[in-house]
Amino acid sequence: DAGVTQSPTHLIKTRGQHVTLRCSPISGHKSVSWYQQVLGQGPQFIFQYYEKEERGRGNFPDRFSARQFPNYSSELNVNALLLGDSALYLCASSQPGVDTQYFGPGTRLTVL
Amino acid sequence: DQQVKQNSPSLSVQEGRISILNCDYTNSMFDYFLWYKKYPAEGPTFLISISSIKDKNEDGRFTVFLNKSAKHLSLHIVPSQPGDSAVYFCAANPITQGGSEKLVFGKGTKLTVNP
Repeated sequence: DAGVTQSPTHLIKTRGQHVTLRCSPISGHKSVSWYQQVLGQGPQFIFQYYEKEERGRGNFPDRFSARQFPNYSSELNVNALLLGDSALYLCASSQPGVDTQYFGPGTRLTVL
Repeated sequence: DQQVKQNSPSLSVQEGRISILNCDYTNSMFDYFLWYKKYPAEGPTFLISISSIKDKNEDGRFTVFLNKSAKHLSLHIVPSQPGDSAVYFCAANPITQGGSEKLVFGKGTKLTVNP
């Protein structure tokens, strides 16, 4: 079975632009979570979606938004990009009622 | 406020010996703990987990120990192999209303296993 997939792999944007990152969960997984990892830190929780509903939100500004589609894939949107948004963005999926999350390879976002 | 702490940024061990990676937490609402391994330019790979109702879980060369009274867990790798060289993250999942599954990560420990 394919693991969690994310696209694109790398992305370069300039300050003020908007970005959309995409994630496809493992087949059968209905929950998708997004994390941000900056250099030297552990991943930090941004959002969790389950059955297209937001289940949890981390301490991120409203410039960050996400949604989940009927096929359980998900998008993370970031508006008005700042230099500090440069990071590795990770998507993770899990089965309902199971605590273990499985991560994709991530999207490396660079904001210039 | 760092709720999950990995106080050793790095650890170096000889091939064949035991690697012990440590993790401390402050939030008593954490009820599930996980260890992930991460290579550069890849996403974290799940290694092993433990529920708060247990004190030990073993999977092959990997064993996780949980000491709830001390709010401490450790990952033992025996025997260590050069392919184990990576950054290891400790993560915890708190009990939340509404079923949110929000992992809280430590900053990671870089393990180097020398041949």
